[in-house]
Amino acid sequence: GQQLNQSPQSMFIQEGEDVSMNCTSSSIFNTWLWYKQDPGEGPVLLIALYKAGELTSNGRLTAQFGITRKDSFLNISASIPSDVGIYFCAGLSGGAGNNRKLIWGLGTSLAVNP
Amino acid sequence: ETGVTQSPTHLIKTRGQQVTLRCSSQSGHNTVSWYQQALGQGPQFIFQYYREEENGRGNFPPRFSGLQFPNYSSELNVNALELDDSALYLCASSLVAQHTQYFGPGTRLTVL
Repeated sequence: GQQLNQSPQSMFIQEGEDVSMNCTSSSIFNTWLWYKQDPGEGPVLLIALYKAGELTSNGRLTAQFGITRKDSFLNISASIPSDVGIYFCAGLSGGAGNNRKLIWGLGTSLAVNP
Repeated sequence: ETGVTQSPTHLIKTRGQQVTLRCSSQSGHNTVSWYQQALGQGPQFIFQYYREEENGRGNFPPRFSGLQFPNYSSELNVNALELDDSALYLCASSLVAQHTQYFGPGTRLTVL
């Protein structure tokens, strides 16, 4: 199935460092979502972006909806051990009314060394 | 507010069998989407249900079918199970007007 290009694939950082990851697409999206998934659990929504250029924060997390509508970025500041997990970007594809679906990246696996 | 719940949490089946997975949507949400997530992959869209009708489908064969009930809960049925069907099956609910999806914990299906 169709998937977004998400990078990096994995990161290993020291506690307290900042983290950046991004997601790109050849298609335009109207909504970008960032999720975090812990092992054996469902993804948890972190940030939703609905407008090109939008910059939204959720605590130490900040995400931006790219101007071209083909990319998005997620930054985590001052990482802590509980930030460990897999981060997914997802774009909501176009289409009329309800005929829209989420297209997902392959995920960025984050490990934090205390 | 009750979140999305799924049952069972784990399931083991053998090839050729049939399975039914269940999902209760978050309170007030009228749309349910099902995803298959293989190990190390992102979720793959199976289909979506809105007002008890299928409303969009991904690239999955007809042996993957579903139902949505008047209370917006949903079932995913898979017939003639294959080894490659082993995965985490995720259900997500949303308000159709918002499209932001909230996920349940998933059902881990193992096909032997």
